[in-house]
Amino acid sequence: GAGVSQSPSNKVTEKGKDVELRCDPISGHTALYWYRQSLGQGLEFLIYFQGNSAPDKSGLPSDRFSAERTGGSVSTLTIQRTQQEDSAVYLCASSLSRDSHYEQYFGPGTRLTVT
Amino acid sequence: AQRVTQPEKLLSVFKGAPVELKCNYSYSGSPELFWYVQYSRQRLQLLLRHISRESIKGFTADLNKGETSFHLKKPFAQEEDSAMYYCALSPFYGGATNKLIFGTGTLLAVQP
Repeated sequence: GAGVSQSPSNKVTEKGKDVELRCDPISGHTALYWYRQSLGQGLEFLIYFQGNSAPDKSGLPSDRFSAERTGGSVSTLTIQRTQQEDSAVYLCASSLSRDSHYEQYFGPGTRLTVT
Repeated sequence: AQRVTQPEKLLSVFKGAPVELKCNYSYSGSPELFWYVQYSRQRLQLLLRHISRESIKGFTADLNKGETSFHLKKPFAQEEDSAMYYCALSPFYGGATNKLIFGTGTLLAVQP
């Protein structure tokens, strides 16, 4: 079946604007993760969803970042009042369960550029 | 603090040479360790995990708790092994989360 999909693939926005990034996980995957990769940095965990709830939001860098998941499926990551340091590739991953024995499948990412 | 360190940004070897990608971690509990790989123009994907103790594409990795290391090895590199390799750690929080903590990655370039 289809893998994890993300949209848009590329987003260029002006500083101060809000952006929404979308993730469609693999059907049936209850766990969903957002990561970001900044230039020269490794992948940084942002938030984890189990179903529609987010028991771990510890990686969100500021209150400008928020995320939701509806119907146990699609997730949206919203960044308000974007700053240049928000420029990064945002990756979404899903897995069958939160159990680490289950592989996380990654999407292609959304490249966000804040000008 | 939980941390994964990959000291080499780039590792260049010739085809047929042995490869060792270094990974050290910092974690007080009993983590699970993984290697993820990203080939050119492809998605990040799991290569192997320490609990499986398996060899994937000729790669192996042994968890050394004494040295807190999880180095990735292959005896004879192939050109198709050229990719970005990430070491990752999954902390055990009583199952509350399965987040991955990644290193900064090592780019492996296998020369013909």
